[in-house]
Amino acid sequence: TQLLEQSPQFLSIQEGENLTVYCNSSSVFSSLQWYRQEPGEGPVLLVTVVTGGEVKKLKRLTFQFGDARKDSSLHITAAQPGDTGLYLCAGSYSGAGSYQLTFGKGTKLSVIP
Amino acid sequence: NAGVTQTPKFRILKIGQSMTLQCAQDMNHNYMYWYRQDPGMGLKLIYYSVGAGITDKGEVPNGYNVSRSTTEDFPLRLELAAPSQTSVYFCASSAEGRGTEAFFGQGTRLTVV
Repeated sequence: TQLLEQSPQFLSIQEGENLTVYCNSSSVFSSLQWYRQEPGEGPVLLVTVVTGGEVKKLKRLTFQFGDARKDSSLHITAAQPGDTGLYLCAGSYSGAGSYQLTFGKGTKLSVIP
Repeated sequence: NAGVTQTPKFRILKIGQSMTLQCAQDMNHNYMYWYRQDPGMGLKLIYYSVGAGITDKGEVPNGYNVSRSTTEDFPLRLELAAPSQTSVYFCASSAEGRGTEAFFGQGTRLTVV
């Protein structure tokens, strides 16, 4: 089983603060995705990164894929209460298991007004 | 825009009972997945399918069965419900297996008592 470690598990911050969450593995990903999940709903895709060193921006969210394609980070600038939710990273591995999308345990973010 | 539809949304089962969780997608996706989500544990893959007539086990398949007779439908069967199967179940689909967006249903919350 391929493991994805996310940190921190919980994060509570004030509106306007910046934050970074991390996703790490000992294995190399063929691609990595970040999802956001709200209570009572299924995860929704935020971004997919496929190239080592790749940086993608989505408004106040910045996603980075490590050069070795083993880790990724999500940085949120000036967090807002609407950013509250569970952030999940998911890795797709090359080889026999490439059809499987493996998820980390998630980072539960609370942004306090 | 239906996307991925799961039924039922909630269900309470007694130990030893059987049930089928329904999942249907209208996006003509070849790949479909079943995950379970326990508190603080992220999403774990139960079974997946790469096309009609083809299914394979994921990380936690014991106690479950699936079938894929059509592209649209991917039901999950619990034969003898156990308390350990209390969880939230998510069905997802994607156009391809690797690096493409997975679309999730809203989930089925199952309690086994």
